[in-house]
Amino acid sequence: AQSVTQLDSQVPVFEEAPVELRCNYSSSVSVYLFWYVQYPNQGLQLLLKYLSGSTLVESINGFEAEFNKSQTSFHLRKPSVHISDTAEYFCAVSRGFQKLVFGTGTRLLVSP
Amino acid sequence: DAGVIQSPRHEVTEMGQEVTLRCKPISGHDYLFWYRQTMMRGLELLIYFNNNVPIDDSGMPEDRFSAKMPNASFSTLKIQPSEPRDSAVYFCASSSGRGVSLHFGNGTRLTVT
Repeated sequence: AQSVTQLDSQVPVFEEAPVELRCNYSSSVSVYLFWYVQYPNQGLQLLLKYLSGSTLVESINGFEAEFNKSQTSFHLRKPSVHISDTAEYFCAVSRGFQKLVFGTGTRLLVSP
Repeated sequence: DAGVIQSPRHEVTEMGQEVTLRCKPISGHDYLFWYRQTMMRGLELLIYFNNNVPIDDSGMPEDRFSAKMPNASFSTLKIQPSEPRDSAVYFCASSSGRGVSLHFGNGTRLTVT
C-alpha cells in the first residue's frame, strides 16, 4: 500500500522568500504524485502532478516539484512566495488515477 | 462549468439524528468520491463510484454510513444514527476516467452535538 509523509505541519515564511514543502512517499510500485492546495473554507484544487517523463513539473502560479525516485520524494518549491499563497498544501500518491492517498497537509503561512 | 456542488455547506444536528449530505458532480465525469477531513485523521477516502456503481467502500467507517448514486448527476452520503465523532468536513469530488485531476466541492461541515 502507498503512504505519504509530510513532515512539516506548518511552515511560516516572509513574503518574497523562497519556500520548500517536503513530501516523501512509500510504495513498492511505480506511482503518480500530486500536490493539491486548499484555501480556507474551500475544497482542494490540483496544483501540479507527476505522471511520467520529466521529473520536474511546474504549475501556472510559479510552484514546481521534482520527483526523486531514489529519495522517494516529491518536494514542492517556490522561489518567491506571495501573501496569497497562504493555504494548506497536500501531497498525494496513487497507483492509478482514482484512488489517491493524501498526506496530512502542510500549512503555509506567508507574512509581510 | 459550475464545478462540484455540495449541500448543505453546514449542518448541525443532535446525536442520534439522521444526516444526509448531497453532491452533484461535474457533468460528464464518471467517477465520484466521498472524502472526510478531520484534524486528527486528515483526508480519508470513504467510498468511490464509477458510472454510478460503488467500486470501493472499504473506507466507510461502519454500518451507520451509507452512500448512493442513483444517477450520474447526484449522490448522497447518509449517516444514521449520527454521533459526535462523525463531526468533520465531508468532501465530494469527481473526475473523468480520462483525466487525472480530482475536482472537489467546497465541502459540508458537519457538527454533531
